[in-house]
Amino acid sequence: SQELEQSPQSLIVQEGKNLTINCTSSKTLYGLYWYKQKYGEGLIFLMMLQKGGEEKSHEKITAKLDEKKQQSSLHITASQPSHAGIYLCGADVGSGSRLTFGEGTQLTVNP
Amino acid sequence: DTEVTQTPKHLVMGMTNKKSLKCEQHMGHRAMYWYKQKAKKPPELMFVYSYEKLSINESVPSRFSPECPNSSLLNLHLHALQPEDSALYLCASSRETGGYGYTFGSGTRLTVV
Repeated sequence: SQELEQSPQSLIVQEGKNLTINCTSSKTLYGLYWYKQKYGEGLIFLMMLQKGGEEKSHEKITAKLDEKKQQSSLHITASQPSHAGIYLCGADVGSGSRLTFGEGTQLTVNP
Repeated sequence: DTEVTQTPKHLVMGMTNKKSLKCEQHMGHRAMYWYKQKAKKPPELMFVYSYEKLSINESVPSRFSPECPNSSLLNLHLHALQPEDSALYLCASSRETGGYGYTFGSGTRLTVV
């Protein structure tokens, strides 16, 4: 079964709108990562969350890890075309050496 | 230097060829990883090296042969690949295994003809 469930699968928003992407696990997350990827390119690190209730922000992107450490959200405020891409949540599972990813969210921001 | 460098960026090879992918980092990281990513799918772990020793092989076919000559370099040797092996191959590194954050390279786009 899928370790990480990511939603929505795709998202189309108008420039300036806010949006949220969710990542849920049936197991406790000991390290939760958010990456952004342009099609066919490498992964750009956005944020890492480790503590329950932790919240981090960078520019217009905020990521949170819930108290139970089983769900994370990524929120973009006032989206811009430069935010477009595929957003992937990843988590250390098992022994901690296996970074496993959700299926990704394809974000399109229309000018 | 905070980057993971992968070469080549693109590779086209025949099913009888032998080729190698290269990954290099100079951040002092002691764990290095190979991932395979098919179109519209998330990356999937192939191999993990910790302190230059292979610690995880995710049941990868033997036509893929990893090598870690030193703490900064990771190679992936390819032989007798199939067209379905065409994918983006990503290298990553971390300070050590287990929750220290991962830095990814930009990948090698491999096409097997």
